[in-house]
Amino acid sequence: AQSVTQLDSQVPVFEEAPVELRCNYSSSVSVYLFWYVQYPNQGLQLLLKYLSGSTLVKGINGFEAEFNKSQTSFHLRKPSVHISDTAEYFCAVSEGGGYQKVTFGIGTKLQVIP
Amino acid sequence: NAGVTQTPKFQVLKTGQSMTLQCAQDMNHEYMSWYRQDPGMGLRLIHYSVGAGITDQGEVPNGYNVSRSTTEDFPLRLLSAAPSQTSVYFCASSSGRFEAFFGQGTRLTVV
Repeated sequence: AQSVTQLDSQVPVFEEAPVELRCNYSSSVSVYLFWYVQYPNQGLQLLLKYLSGSTLVKGINGFEAEFNKSQTSFHLRKPSVHISDTAEYFCAVSEGGGYQKVTFGIGTKLQVIP
Repeated sequence: NAGVTQTPKFQVLKTGQSMTLQCAQDMNHEYMSWYRQDPGMGLRLIHYSVGAGITDQGEVPNGYNVSRSTTEDFPLRLLSAAPSQTSVYFCASSSGRFEAFFGQGTRLTVV
């Protein structure tokens, strides 16, 4: 069965500093990987996704993530954060083949400090 | 360009009451899902549907029913509300490319 581990429940970071949000997954087959962002009192929206091909994936708002199969990781990075990046970030995994249920991590709250 | 619409946004129920959370999408997506979000637990799948007339259970289906009579609508029914069902509920839809589009959520409190 697939699972997702987000190692940090909260990450405080100063404005304009870089940030990395960590995500590890477990699956016995090939996977699709996603990062979603949830702003306060909003639904989730897709930041980026890895389906196949290049292991470095670029998303919206300057975020990127790297798929590392050997380490079963899909960490999210941004070189310089803004106050507006304050939100909760969810890593998610789906196993390949047809429609598959998406499993979400517990989320990481990113707090950008002015 | 409505996307996924959930109603109501807020609801307070008494223990034992029943209600239906509505979800509608206008993107002609085959796949629709219901999740609940609880602090420290991420999103957990309640029920999902791969097309009209087809539904299946997710991770936490007990106490909830769904039906899918049309492509657009996927209501979630709480049969007899319990305090443990206090949560934020999200409906999502997707095409075959696995990107899910989420509604704004329904914040439910059961007292």
